[in-house]
Amino acid sequence: EVQLVESGGDLVQPGGSLRLSCAASGFSFSLYSMNWVRQAPGKGLEWVSYISSVGRTIYYADSVKGRFTVSRDNDQNSLYLQIDSLRAEDTAIYYCVRVHRIEVPGDYWGQGTLVTVSS
Amino acid sequence: QSALTQPASVSGSPGQSITISCTGTSSDVGSHNSVSWYQQHPGKAPKLMIYDVSNRPSGVSNRFSGSKSGNTASLTISGLQAEDEADYYCSLYTSSSPYVFGTGTKVTVL
Repeated sequence: EVQLVESGGDLVQPGGSLRLSCAASGFSFSLYSMNWVRQAPGKGLEWVSYISSVGRTIYYADSVKGRFTVSRDNDQNSLYLQIDSLRAEDTAIYYCVRVHRIEVPGDYWGQGTLVTVSS
Repeated sequence: QSALTQPASVSGSPGQSITISCTGTSSDVGSHNSVSWYQQHPGKAPKLMIYDVSNRPSGVSNRFSGSKSGNTASLTISGLQAEDEADYYCSLYTSSSPYVFGTGTKVTVL
């Protein structure tokens, strides 16, 4: 069974940093690209970042470029999102998502981890 | 890239069919077949319902179907059931973006 379990969400002050993690199991993690997708409270879905299976290709949404860094450790079956210079508008549930094919942003989603940016 | 446009809400009675639209432009939806649809129940993670405009993943009911005409993709739910009440999002992949989601549609079963 495919499982994606996010962790690391927290209440952080504006300008702060956070590192989100996603532990993957039930599939060959190293063969799949991954996405981070977020959802602000009561709002729609927003794609955040993409990383290819071996990490060679990385994309970011314009809204997070220069502040967010995606990485992965295929030996540990783990995906990460380093979030710096946090802003109030970064408040959201962050989902770890397995990419079915690059054209399909996600066939399996984790339950998400909540990041709240507030003073 | 701007979010794709969906109606804020669609409703129907049990057993009826409803259609949710996802409208873009000739540069995005109109020229790409990489449209997916997601269902999200309150407090839950999204679930893939349709990919590549009209393909259903294994395990998804055949009451759900997708199509595209011009700059608009559509998700049709036939034989509407109470469990179909949820939010629905379309998404599109383009090599230049790469991903954009729709604004979301709340489906209510009357």
